[in-house]
Amino acid sequence: DAKTTQPPSMDCAEGRAANLPCNHSTISGNEYVYWYRQIHSQGPQYIIHGLKNNETNEMASLIITEDRKSSTLILPHATLRDTAVYYCIPDSGAGSYQLTFGKGTKLSVIP
Amino acid sequence: EPEVTQTPSHQVTQMGQEVILRCVPISNHLYFYWYRQILGQKVEFLVSFYNNEISEKSEIFDDQFSVERPDGSNFTLKIRSTKLEDSAMYFCATTKRTGYEQYFGPGTRLTVT
Repeated sequence: DAKTTQPPSMDCAEGRAANLPCNHSTISGNEYVYWYRQIHSQGPQYIIHGLKNNETNEMASLIITEDRKSSTLILPHATLRDTAVYYCIPDSGAGSYQLTFGKGTKLSVIP
Repeated sequence: EPEVTQTPSHQVTQMGQEVILRCVPISNHLYFYWYRQILGQKVEFLVSFYNNEISEKSEIFDDQFSVERPDGSNFTLKIRSTKLEDSAMYFCATTKRTGYEQYFGPGTRLTVT
């Protein structure tokens, strides 16, 4: 399984873009990267996923480096409600669909 | 927007008692999962379930745990004889098809005293 490294915490000013990095240097060629977040005491929430191309949806954008060793989740205009722990999760690529959560990045959006 | 629901929101039980945690999946979802999160720790996978069978289970999911879909709508997690260390938030997740885009419920906080 690919291992991930994320900074333990980040701050972002309200209204600014939040850029959350993830290192997944051991990811293999057919493993997607998924991003989830967990707002305090709530269930995790799916945000976005990607393989090699950049992706965008109504919640966020995902930028994946060409070598696929890292990715960045971008919240274009962070709000106070985006304060949460953000998790970068590679798939196992082995027909297993269990999500393996790490410690994630605690994003604090500051007024 | 359809949501996964879980009941109860909070369950307090004495050590050794049986508990059943309930989940109502999104209506056309066919794959079901249970995760738990001990306070201050990571979210951990317990089990996945499809077509009335367990697909995968983790080391945590020992003989004290069982899952079933008793009536075609609810999806339940039973802990036969609770221990203090079972105290945690238990999250149900569901998907329409196999994959990692899982929809989580709000969780049940289980407190074992």
